[in-house]
Amino acid sequence: EPEVTQTPSHQVTQMGQEVILRCVPISNHLYFYWYRQILGQKVEFLVSFYNNEISEKSEIFDDQFSVERPDGSNFTLKIRSTKLEDSAMYFCASSERQGLENTEAFFGQGTRLTVV
Amino acid sequence: AQSVTQLDSHVSVSEGTPVLLRCNYSSSYSPSLFWYVQHPNKGLQLLLKYTSAATLVKGINGFEAEFKKSETSFHLTKPSAHMSDAAEYFCVVSDYNFNKFYFGSGTKLNVKP
Repeated sequence: EPEVTQTPSHQVTQMGQEVILRCVPISNHLYFYWYRQILGQKVEFLVSFYNNEISEKSEIFDDQFSVERPDGSNFTLKIRSTKLEDSAMYFCASSERQGLENTEAFFGQGTRLTVV
Repeated sequence: AQSVTQLDSHVSVSEGTPVLLRCNYSSSYSPSLFWYVQHPNKGLQLLLKYTSAATLVKGINGFEAEFKKSETSFHLTKPSAHMSDAAEYFCVVSDYNFNKFYFGSGTKLNVKP
């Protein structure tokens, strides 16, 4: 069964460093998302992406964050200068979404980011 | 704005007994609702979805949920719990154009032998 894959599964980085979280969405999906879950808190929306541009972003997704689809398969989240509060599990998701059909999002296993 | 409230942070049942995980939603339009499950150290797996078709939705692993507009609820049920059902369950509502999904705070299901 097709699945969303994320790498790495765990990343430790020093405060102020740049990190890139990578995702390979399901191949025929056109809509992509990043979410995060800080330990003990809700899963929060960060950004959605379609047709090579951001569809919507949350207030969390400030200038320190960016997303890119550098080729036909990868979808990346970059944090330019990490802060301690960026420590969280980051989930990538994709959706096939054809009108009102196939609207569900399929999530990857997550990347646990630890900023020290 | 859309939101979901999961009324129980923890639910504990005995194996073989029914499961009820409660979810209430708030939406300014006809919502699309989902239940996801997260097993330890795993990703979020879709259990079932409601998108304005039948109000009783059947999902994987014997789970089902009923959309009740009058009660703004979308509770998840299973007739008989199995040990492998122990996980965290998330109720999710989408915005009107599916650009984002709003998660509930999650319910951890414990299944006792």
